[in-house]
Amino acid sequence: DVKVTQSSRYLVKRTGEKVFLECVQDMDHENMFWYRQDPGLGLRLIYFSYDVKMKEKGDIPEGYSVSREKKERFSLILESASTNQTSMYLCASRGQIYEQYFGPGTRLTVT
Amino acid sequence: QKEVEQDPGPLSVPEGAIVSLNCTYSNSAFQYFMWYRQYSRKGPELLMYTYSSGNKEDGRFTAQVDKSSKYISLFIRDSQPSDSATYLCAMGPYGGATNKLIFGTGTLLAVQP
Repeated sequence: DVKVTQSSRYLVKRTGEKVFLECVQDMDHENMFWYRQDPGLGLRLIYFSYDVKMKEKGDIPEGYSVSREKKERFSLILESASTNQTSMYLCASRGQIYEQYFGPGTRLTVT
Repeated sequence: QKEVEQDPGPLSVPEGAIVSLNCTYSNSAFQYFMWYRQYSRKGPELLMYTYSSGNKEDGRFTAQVDKSSKYISLFIRDSQPSDSATYLCAMGPYGGATNKLIFGTGTLLAVQP
């Protein structure tokens, strides 16, 4: 069975803090993705990675960075958290036929 | 105009009804089509995926793609209260290591017991 795990289900941080969200997949997939999901806006792609140490910006990369040092792990970093980054963050990895498998999500609140 | 359009609902049906969920799209390069189910406060779960046109059936679920009309559907037979969730369509073009999926915004389905 496909397994994508995320480091936290719920997270509360203060404005200006540096935030790390971690994602791990056990399927040896090359492609991994970070999305945020907001009511009425759907899933928006932040960054994706198609190989170790390789990354590409998605549709809304501002205020975020990523790290992929190992194939199974993809981290999302909020350099200086702001209240407009309060959201549900979803990690996914991509299988052979372009299907994506999602983790359980991290609900981040920035106060 | 968005690349993928999906009616947000909510769609409320009685238990046992046949449910039809739909998406339209504008990019004729799309070849892969997927449906995800997302329960409240959980990550999306892949339900079905199809390539190009045609139908695919899996238990109570049938996915249908009509590329000539740029229209995809998910049918749920004998709907159950446990089917209550948000359903997301997703699609993408063929080829390329970095090709991304484009998601619809989701349809909220409520199956009433």
